[in-house]
Amino acid sequence: SAVISQKPSRDICQRGTSLTIQCQVDSQVTMMFWYRQQPGQSLTLIATANQGSEATYESGFVIDKFPISRPNLTFSTLTVSNMSPEDSSIYLCSVHRGGETQYFGPGTRLLVL
Amino acid sequence: QKEVEQDPGPLSVPEGAIVSLNCTYSNSAFQYFMWYRQYSRKGPELLMYTYSSGNKEDGRFTAQVDKSSKYISLFIRDSQPSDSATYLCAIDGSSNTGKLIFGQGTTLQVKP
Repeated sequence: SAVISQKPSRDICQRGTSLTIQCQVDSQVTMMFWYRQQPGQSLTLIATANQGSEATYESGFVIDKFPISRPNLTFSTLTVSNMSPEDSSIYLCSVHRGGETQYFGPGTRLLVL
Repeated sequence: QKEVEQDPGPLSVPEGAIVSLNCTYSNSAFQYFMWYRQYSRKGPELLMYTYSSGNKEDGRFTAQVDKSSKYISLFIRDSQPSDSATYLCAIDGSSNTGKLIFGQGTTLQVKP
């Protein structure tokens, strides 16, 4: 299994500001992802965090809004930039080790006022 | 049309009931199917993982994939109050790379 921690667990932010969310995994993983879960909605993949290169973003998500860093195989950050109330969501980090092993962190609950 | 569709419920059953949760999907090329359970204020937890068609059983849980109908199911036998959670179907849209497409989730309440 994989133990994933996220910081902060929750935050309340003002519009126009930015928040950086951290994801720490207890062992090295190649594939790491960031998902968003908007209120009452399911999870949507934001991007794949690639170690040593730029993140790969899904349709509808851009680097300027959601810059991602992946400095090593156990850590990644997602920044939500220039926030608006529409960015109020749960942001989840996920790791995949192939086959039946895909794990999610506990999530970061973000409320933008 | 959404790639994965799931009835959001909510679904309320008495303890001991058999629960049936279902999703449909649009792309016949999908091969990897999952069910996650998410308790309130927690991250999703992988329950069942199925490759291609067929059934997979784990304790009280059975996952079923019907590729001809593009239909996936999760059955819970002898449901318990501790099964009360949101159940999400998920499909790996890129051949086991971890890039998942989720259904909307079904909220289940099992009443004692």
